[in-house]
Amino acid sequence: AQSVSQHNHHVILSEAASLELGCNYSYGGTVNLFWYVQYPGQHLQLLLKYFSGDPLVKGIKGFEAEFIKSKFSFNLRKPSVQWSDTAEYFCAVSETGANNLFFGTGTRLTVIP
Amino acid sequence: KAGVTQTPRYLIKTRGQQVTLSCSPISGHRSVSWYQQTPGQGLQFLFEYFSETQRNKGNFPGRFSGRQFSNSRSEMNVSTLELGDSALYLCASSLEGDNYGYTFGSGTRLTVV
Repeated sequence: AQSVSQHNHHVILSEAASLELGCNYSYGGTVNLFWYVQYPGQHLQLLLKYFSGDPLVKGIKGFEAEFIKSKFSFNLRKPSVQWSDTAEYFCAVSETGANNLFFGTGTRLTVIP
Repeated sequence: KAGVTQTPRYLIKTRGQQVTLSCSPISGHRSVSWYQQTPGQGLQFLFEYFSETQRNKGNFPGRFSGRQFSNSRSEMNVSTLELGDSALYLCASSLEGDNYGYTFGSGTRLTVV
């Protein structure tokens, strides 16, 4: 079975700091990769997704992620965080052609103004 | 356009009872998935329906069941409720499946007492 690891449970940053959240998955086949964000009191929203092609994908709100196949990783980055980025971030993986997502346990990001 | 609508938003049930949750997907979306979110286990896949057929099922006991109607609306049912079923139940819809990414609803918060 697939598994997704998000090693950082809680990250605290000051505004304008750079962000990198780690995500590793275990599956040897072809995968689709996602990052979702859950702002306080809101539903899960898709930040970005990777299916194929350029391993560097850009999402909404200035976020980007890089797929490194050899490391089974899909880390999320943002060069300069804002207070409004305070949220919980979930990495998710699905096998290509499957219709279910495996989620990581999430990383809570707190941005201090 | 309207998002994914889940009803009710909150439910309190007693152990041993059964419960039915409803999900209306985004118009035109034919795939509906259900996830359980708990602090301990995170987000776990329950099942996915497409054109009224269950295409994929997660590792949950048979007390958890679902169905999809011809208008793509979906319901999930949990029978013989246990305290451990207390969770946020999320519904997600997609055009075809994971290739398009899923849009999540706000969830139904079920508390079993």
